[in-house]
Amino acid sequence: DIVLTQSPDTLSLSPGERATLSCRTSQSVRSNYLAWYQQKPGQAPRLLIYDASTRATGIPDRFSGSGSGTDFTLTISRLEPEDFAVYFCQQYRSSPYTFGQGTKLEIK
Amino acid sequence: QLQLHESGPGLLKPSETLSLTCSVSGGSISTRSYYWGWIRQSPGKGLEWIGSAGYRGTTYYNPSLQGRLTISADTSNNQFFLTLISVTAADTAVYFCGRHGGYSGVSNDYYFFMDVWGKGTTVTVSS
Repeated sequence: DIVLTQSPDTLSLSPGERATLSCRTSQSVRSNYLAWYQQKPGQAPRLLIYDASTRATGIPDRFSGSGSGTDFTLTISRLEPEDFAVYFCQQYRSSPYTFGQGTKLEIK
Repeated sequence: QLQLHESGPGLLKPSETLSLTCSVSGGSISTRSYYWGWIRQSPGKGLEWIGSAGYRGTTYYNPSLQGRLTISADTSNNQFFLTLISVTAADTAVYFCGRHGGYSGVSNDYYFFMDVWGKGTTVTVSS
Protein backbone atom coordinates (compact mmCIF):
# COMPACT_ATOMS: atom_id res chain seq x y z
CA ASP A 1 0.00 0.00 0.00
CA ILE A 2 1.13 3.58 -0.63
CA VAL A 3 1.46 5.42 2.69
CA LEU A 4 0.76 9.15 2.73
CA THR A 5 2.30 11.30 5.44
CA GLN A 6 1.05 14.82 5.91
CA SER A 7 2.88 17.60 7.71
CA PRO A 8 2.49 19.39 9.93
CA ASP A 9 -0.19 17.68 11.99
CA THR A 10 -1.44 21.10 13.10
CA LEU A 11 -0.82 24.50 11.54
CA SER A 12 -1.72 27.65 13.46
CA LEU A 13 -2.12 30.74 11.31
CA SER A 14 -4.12 33.95 11.15
CA PRO A 15 -6.63 35.02 8.51
CA GLY A 16 -4.86 36.67 5.61
CA GLU A 17 -1.72 34.56 6.00
CA ARG A 18 -0.44 31.95 3.56
CA ALA A 19 -0.77 28.26 4.40
CA THR A 20 1.49 25.54 3.03
CA LEU A 21 0.54 21.91 3.67
CA SER A 22 2.69 18.96 2.70
CA CYS A 23 1.86 15.41 1.64
CA ARG A 24 4.61 12.86 1.09
CA THR A 25 3.98 9.42 -0.38
CA SER A 26 5.95 6.24 0.26
CA GLN A 27 6.09 5.48 -3.47
CA SER A 28 5.99 7.69 -6.52
CA VAL A 29 2.44 8.55 -7.54
CA ARG A 30 2.53 8.21 -11.28
CA SER A 31 0.52 10.64 -13.37
CA ASN A 32 0.28 12.80 -10.23
CA TYR A 33 -2.93 11.07 -9.25
CA LEU A 34 -3.18 12.97 -5.97
CA ALA A 35 -6.18 14.80 -4.53
CA TRP A 36 -6.73 17.21 -1.66
CA TYR A 37 -9.87 17.50 0.45
CA GLN A 38 -11.14 19.90 3.08
CA GLN A 39 -13.27 18.64 5.96
CA LYS A 40 -15.15 20.65 8.56
CA PRO A 41 -16.59 19.14 11.75
CA GLY A 42 -19.65 17.00 11.16
CA GLN A 43 -19.34 17.25 7.38
CA ALA A 44 -18.13 15.04 4.60
CA PRO A 45 -14.83 15.90 2.98
CA ARG A 46 -14.98 18.32 0.05
CA LEU A 47 -12.80 17.82 -2.99
CA LEU A 48 -10.47 20.76 -3.57
CA ILE A 49 -7.76 19.59 -5.95
CA TYR A 50 -7.22 16.53 -8.17
CA ASP A 51 -4.37 15.47 -10.44
CA ALA A 52 -2.16 17.30 -7.93
CA SER A 53 -2.91 20.75 -9.32
CA THR A 54 -6.37 20.92 -10.91
CA ARG A 55 -8.95 22.79 -8.88
CA ALA A 56 -12.32 21.08 -8.56
CA THR A 57 -15.46 22.86 -9.71
CA GLY A 58 -16.29 25.90 -7.61
CA ILE A 59 -13.05 25.96 -5.62
CA PRO A 60 -11.63 29.47 -5.14
CA ASP A 61 -8.33 30.24 -6.81
CA ARG A 62 -6.65 30.95 -3.48
CA PHE A 63 -6.33 27.15 -3.27
CA SER A 64 -3.55 25.68 -5.37
CA GLY A 65 -1.80 22.33 -5.55
CA SER A 66 1.66 21.44 -6.76
CA GLY A 67 4.20 18.68 -6.70
CA SER A 68 5.03 15.41 -8.35
CA GLY A 69 6.51 12.02 -7.61
CA THR A 70 6.44 11.68 -3.85
CA ASP A 71 6.16 15.31 -2.69
CA PHE A 72 2.99 17.32 -2.98
CA THR A 73 1.86 20.65 -1.57
CA LEU A 74 -1.45 22.39 -1.00
CA THR A 75 -1.16 26.16 -0.72
CA ILE A 76 -3.84 28.55 0.44
CA SER A 77 -2.61 31.95 -0.63
CA ARG A 78 -4.58 34.12 1.77
CA LEU A 79 -6.56 32.46 4.50
CA GLU A 80 -10.23 33.25 4.89
CA PRO A 81 -12.10 32.44 8.14
CA GLU A 82 -13.92 29.57 6.43
CA ASP A 83 -10.64 27.88 5.46
CA PHE A 84 -9.87 26.71 9.00
CA ALA A 85 -10.56 22.99 8.81
CA VAL A 86 -8.81 19.65 8.40
CA TYR A 87 -7.13 18.87 5.08
CA PHE A 88 -6.45 15.40 3.68
CA CYS A 89 -4.52 14.17 0.69
CA GLN A 90 -5.36 10.97 -1.20
CA GLN A 91 -3.57 8.99 -3.87
CA TYR A 92 -5.72 7.26 -6.49
CA ARG A 93 -2.97 5.83 -8.65
CA SER A 94 -2.72 2.49 -6.97
CA SER A 95 -5.32 0.36 -5.20
CA PRO A 96 -5.98 0.45 -2.30
CA TYR A 97 -6.53 4.18 -2.65
CA THR A 98 -5.09 5.67 0.51
CA PHE A 99 -5.34 8.89 2.48
CA GLY A 100 -3.01 10.92 4.62
CA GLN A 101 -3.73 11.33 8.31
CA GLY A 102 -4.75 14.99 7.90
CA THR A 103 -3.45 18.44 8.77
CA LYS A 104 -5.57 20.56 11.07
CA LEU A 105 -5.46 24.22 10.11
CA GLU A 106 -6.42 26.26 13.16
CA ILE A 107 -6.79 29.93 13.91
CA LYS A 108 -3.82 31.41 15.73
CA GLN B 1 -27.72 18.51 -8.76
CA LEU B 2 -26.33 15.12 -7.82
CA GLN B 3 -27.07 14.08 -4.26
CA LEU B 4 -26.28 10.91 -2.35
CA HIS B 5 -27.78 9.70 0.90
CA GLU B 6 -26.61 6.84 3.08
CA SER B 7 -28.99 4.77 5.18
CA GLY B 8 -28.68 1.75 7.42
CA PRO B 9 -28.57 0.57 11.00
CA GLY B 10 -26.61 2.70 13.40
CA LEU B 11 -25.81 -0.06 15.86
CA LEU B 12 -24.73 -3.64 15.37
CA LYS B 13 -23.33 -6.38 17.55
CA PRO B 14 -20.04 -8.12 16.79
CA SER B 15 -20.32 -10.87 14.17
CA GLU B 16 -23.45 -9.33 12.62
CA THR B 17 -23.74 -8.17 9.02
CA LEU B 18 -23.64 -4.48 8.11
CA SER B 19 -25.89 -3.48 5.24
CA LEU B 20 -25.85 0.09 3.97
CA THR B 21 -27.74 1.70 1.12
CA CYS B 22 -26.69 4.74 -0.88
CA SER B 23 -29.62 6.41 -2.65
CA VAL B 24 -28.65 8.64 -5.56
CA SER B 25 -30.71 11.48 -6.99
CA GLY B 26 -29.99 13.98 -9.73
CA GLY B 27 -28.03 11.51 -11.83
CA SER B 28 -28.00 7.89 -12.93
CA ILE B 29 -25.65 5.29 -11.47
CA SER B 30 -25.95 3.17 -14.62
CA THR B 31 -23.73 5.55 -16.58
CA ARG B 32 -20.44 4.04 -17.71
CA SER B 33 -18.72 7.36 -16.97
CA TYR B 34 -18.40 6.97 -13.21
CA TYR B 35 -17.64 4.58 -10.42
CA TRP B 36 -19.56 4.78 -7.16
CA GLY B 37 -17.90 4.01 -3.89
CA TRP B 38 -17.75 3.79 -0.14
CA ILE B 39 -15.25 5.41 2.21
CA ARG B 40 -15.25 5.22 5.98
CA GLN B 41 -13.71 7.38 8.65
CA SER B 42 -12.81 6.41 12.18
CA PRO B 43 -10.69 8.11 14.83
CA GLY B 44 -8.25 5.23 14.81
CA LYS B 45 -7.79 4.62 11.09
CA GLY B 46 -8.69 7.96 9.56
CA LEU B 47 -10.17 7.89 6.07
CA GLU B 48 -10.23 4.46 4.43
CA TRP B 49 -11.38 3.57 0.94
CA ILE B 50 -13.65 0.54 1.20
CA GLY B 51 -14.54 -0.26 -2.37
CA SER B 52 -16.25 0.85 -5.55
CA ALA B 53 -18.64 -0.38 -8.21
CA GLY B 54 -19.11 0.72 -11.77
CA TYR B 55 -20.58 -0.09 -15.12
CA ARG B 56 -21.92 -3.60 -15.52
CA GLY B 57 -21.20 -4.37 -11.91
CA THR B 58 -17.43 -4.15 -12.05
CA THR B 59 -16.16 -3.89 -8.49
CA TYR B 60 -12.91 -3.04 -6.73
CA TYR B 61 -12.40 -3.77 -3.06
CA ASN B 62 -9.84 -2.80 -0.48
CA PRO B 63 -7.81 -5.99 0.05
CA SER B 64 -8.01 -5.45 3.81
CA LEU B 65 -11.75 -6.10 3.59
CA GLN B 66 -11.78 -8.67 0.82
CA GLY B 67 -13.66 -11.77 1.86
CA ARG B 68 -16.07 -9.81 4.05
CA LEU B 69 -17.22 -7.16 1.61
CA THR B 70 -19.71 -6.99 -1.22
CA ILE B 71 -20.68 -3.87 -3.13
CA SER B 72 -23.66 -4.13 -5.45
CA ALA B 73 -26.14 -1.91 -7.21
CA ASP B 74 -29.80 -1.70 -8.13
CA THR B 75 -29.89 0.49 -11.23
CA SER B 76 -33.68 0.42 -11.44
CA ASN B 77 -33.89 2.19 -8.07
CA ASN B 78 -30.65 4.16 -8.54
CA GLN B 79 -29.11 2.74 -5.39
CA PHE B 80 -25.93 0.96 -4.50
CA PHE B 81 -25.15 -1.09 -1.45
CA LEU B 82 -22.43 -2.12 0.95
CA THR B 83 -22.58 -5.46 2.74
CA LEU B 84 -19.91 -6.27 5.31
CA ILE B 85 -20.11 -9.55 7.17
CA SER B 86 -18.70 -10.52 10.56
CA VAL B 87 -18.28 -6.99 11.82
CA THR B 88 -16.10 -6.15 14.81
CA ALA B 89 -15.49 -3.02 16.83
CA ALA B 90 -12.83 -2.10 14.26
CA ASP B 91 -15.63 -1.51 11.75
CA THR B 92 -17.08 1.28 13.87
CA ALA B 93 -16.89 4.40 11.72
CA VAL B 94 -18.75 7.03 9.77
CA TYR B 95 -19.53 5.53 6.37
CA PHE B 96 -19.71 7.80 3.33
CA CYS B 97 -20.95 6.92 -0.12
CA GLY B 98 -19.97 8.99 -3.09
CA ARG B 99 -19.26 9.36 -6.77
CA HIS B 100 -15.75 8.92 -8.00
CA GLY B 101 -14.15 11.37 -10.38
CA GLY B 102 -15.08 9.78 -13.68
CA TYR B 103 -13.41 8.52 -16.82
CA SER B 104 -10.52 10.37 -18.39
CA GLY B 105 -10.30 9.94 -22.14
CA VAL B 106 -6.84 11.48 -22.05
CA SER B 107 -5.37 8.84 -19.79
CA ASN B 108 -7.91 6.09 -20.65
CA ASP B 109 -8.40 5.66 -16.95
CA TYR B 110 -11.02 6.04 -14.27
CA TYR B 111 -10.38 8.49 -11.50
CA PHE B 112 -10.88 7.24 -7.96
CA PHE B 113 -10.92 10.47 -6.05
CA MET B 114 -14.41 11.29 -4.77
CA ASP B 115 -16.01 14.45 -6.09
CA VAL B 116 -19.53 14.12 -4.68
CA TRP B 117 -20.13 12.80 -1.17
CA GLY B 118 -23.11 11.83 0.93
CA LYS B 119 -23.36 13.30 4.40
CA GLY B 120 -22.33 10.02 6.01
CA THR B 121 -23.93 7.61 8.44
CA THR B 122 -22.49 6.54 11.77
CA VAL B 123 -22.14 2.83 12.38
CA THR B 124 -21.24 1.54 15.83
CA VAL B 125 -20.35 -2.08 16.54
CA SER B 126 -20.74 -2.91 20.19
CA SER B 127 -21.98 -5.77 22.31
